[in-house]
Amino acid sequence: DGGITQSPKYLFRKEGQNVTLSCEQNLNHDAMYWYRQDPGQGLRLIYYSQIVNDFQKGDIAEGYSVSREKKESFPLTVTSAQKNPTAFYLCASSKAPTVNTEAFFGQGTRLTVV
Amino acid sequence: QKEVEQDPGPLSVPEGAIVSLNCTYSNSAFQYFMWYRQYSRKGPELLMYTYSSGNKEDGRFTAQVDKSSKYISLFIRDSQPSDSATYLCAMSRGGSNYKLTFGKGTLLTVNP
Repeated sequence: DGGITQSPKYLFRKEGQNVTLSCEQNLNHDAMYWYRQDPGQGLRLIYYSQIVNDFQKGDIAEGYSVSREKKESFPLTVTSAQKNPTAFYLCASSKAPTVNTEAFFGQGTRLTVV
Repeated sequence: QKEVEQDPGPLSVPEGAIVSLNCTYSNSAFQYFMWYRQYSRKGPELLMYTYSSGNKEDGRFTAQVDKSSKYISLFIRDSQPSDSATYLCAMSRGGSNYKLTFGKGTLLTVNP
């Protein structure tokens, strides 16, 4: 089955730790995205990537980092610089962005700071 | 003014009702419009995708876009308890600027 796989489903982080969220897609999509979802705030874009080895900051990139070494993978690292990391993180992908923009989402990772 | 406004609800309707969900937007450059359904603790699922103005129908769902009023709607006919979810509108300019901008979502409950 084609789709987007996020892991883990639940993640707990201690204060001061970096953690990495995994996102893998087998849809052969060029573009990949990371969003953060908080209650009452909708989805906010953290980072996006149109092509391998290239990525751009979204609206709330501070305290996060990404890499895009392979087309199918776009991991997100939540660093200790992110002051309020507890949230639901969603990865998405879409075809060549200049053709269409419908994006498909993974099932999310819920990160909690303990 | 936020780029995309969506009434968060909650909206509660009886089974079989027609549901109307709406978003307004301020950026006239938006050309692509989407509706997503999100069940609790799950990722959003794409329901409808529309380019520019007009209507699109898929089963019990109809999406409408009125670019002159900067207003989009999603209608659900014969609503079912399984339709209970949060509905998110999203839109983008397309072309080289494809970033999606989301509404905050409307929580819908369909009561049996």
